[in-house]
Amino acid sequence: EVQLVESGGGLVQPGGSLRLSCAVSGFTFSDQYIDWVRQAPGKGLEWVGRTTNKATGYTTGYAASVKGRFTISIDDSINSLYLQMNSLKTEDTAVYYCARRNYNRFDYWGQGTLVTVSS
Amino acid sequence: QSALTQPPSASGSPGQSVTISCTGTSSDVGGYDYVSWYQQHPGKAPKLIIYEVSKRPSGVPDRFSGSKSGNTASLTVSGLQAEDEADYYCSSYAGSSNLLFGTGTKVTVL
Repeated sequence: EVQLVESGGGLVQPGGSLRLSCAVSGFTFSDQYIDWVRQAPGKGLEWVGRTTNKATGYTTGYAASVKGRFTISIDDSINSLYLQMNSLKTEDTAVYYCARRNYNRFDYWGQGTLVTVSS
Repeated sequence: QSALTQPPSASGSPGQSVTISCTGTSSDVGGYDYVSWYQQHPGKAPKLIIYEVSKRPSGVPDRFSGSKSGNTASLTVSGLQAEDEADYYCSSYAGSSNLLFGTGTKVTVL
C-alpha cells in the first residue's frame, strides 16, 4: 500500500525556521518525483516545489513564492523527503502536503501537516 | 506564473450535471495534455479524479469526465450525488517540471 506521511508541523514565529518530513512506503522512492503542495486556511492549493527521481539526479525546483527560502532534500536510505523552511512569513501558514507525482499528476497524497507562522 | 482560473462555485440538483472550467494559457493548459482534476472534501487531502485531460483512475466513477479545448479544460460531473459536494481543483503541467493549480471551485448539491 502506497503511503506518504508528513510530520514536523507546528507554531513558529515570523523569521523562524521549521523542517517538515515526508516518510514514504509502498513504492520505490528513488523511482518517483515527489512534490510539496500547501493550502492556506480556507484557500486553494499551491504548488511549493519538487524533487525529481534518482535517475535525473534528485533535481529540485521551487515556486517563486518560496524560492531562496525553502529547500527540499532527500534521504533515500530511509525513503524520506524533507522541506527546510527558513525566513518564514505569516503567509506561509498552511497545511503542507507531500504528494507522489506520476507523469505530472499527483496520484497519492499524505494527510498533511499544519504550519502556523505567528507571533 | 499565475494560478489557473476556475469559477468560485457551481451547483446542481441531484441527478443533474455540472461543468467546471479551468482556464490557463498556451504555456500550460493549452500547451500540454497534462491536465488533472482533484476532488477535496473538508479536512481531507485532495483525491485525483481525472488525469491527462480525460482519463479516470481506477475506482473513479464514470460520472466524472474531462475535456480540453485550447487553453481551457473542463470537468463534468453527471448524475450529481450528495457525496460529490466538495471543492474541485484543476492542475496543469507548465514546463520545466513545474505544475500550476487552479483557484478551486466549490460544488454544491442542492
